[in-house]
Amino acid sequence: GESVGLHLPTLSVQEGDNSIINCAYSNSASDYFIWYKQESGKGPQFIIDIRSNMDKRQGQRVTVLLNKTVKHLSLQIAATQPGDSAVYFCAEKMSGQNFVFGPGTRLSVLP
Amino acid sequence: DAGVIQSPRHEVTEMGQEVTLRCKPISGHDYLFWYRQTMMRGLELLIYFNNNVPIDDSGMPEDRFSAKMPNASFSTLKIQPSEPRDSAVYFCASSLAGGSNQPQHFGDGTRLSIL
Repeated sequence: GESVGLHLPTLSVQEGDNSIINCAYSNSASDYFIWYKQESGKGPQFIIDIRSNMDKRQGQRVTVLLNKTVKHLSLQIAATQPGDSAVYFCAEKMSGQNFVFGPGTRLSVLP
Repeated sequence: DAGVIQSPRHEVTEMGQEVTLRCKPISGHDYLFWYRQTMMRGLELLIYFNNNVPIDDSGMPEDRFSAKMPNASFSTLKIQPSEPRDSAVYFCASSLAGGSNQPQHFGDGTRLSIL
């Protein structure tokens, strides 16, 4: 389940450190955003979402930040664990139920 | 709880053959989506249904692709005739209606190889 192109951005972090994965979105009118995690051979798995009337939302070990001024979304993972190794996608809702997915970032957790 | 179920998990067939991919959404979900994932183009929306009715099929590549949803618990994506460039992982996802801002839940996909 890898993503677009031959050069998927990769982030390598030490186990126990915090991870920050970034995403630029395209439509200033998008009002809903989702982060997904995709492990090899599996479908994207919902992690956390945020509506455009919020700047920050926290879950268990994860935080999503939304900066509408620069159309930027980030996912922060606290105390990164080996099980967090995967490809992470952001998705923005364009119109209706039409979601556009970013190219993905591969997170690699080093022991 | 059962998630989105797709079958088959893997399909290998020769070009020109008809391919049918199947999906069972999560019970109670109103929306069903078909996506295609490739290395070069990432995850692309092909079509989605609301209450079994196709709403947006603008992502369907060409007439060789068709999708149906005869009832709330079953959908098919058919390719006829198949071509090598159709090789990809095809995902089905479903979501609740709930005010339109609901996350999609994905199946584990069908890996399709057209020889």
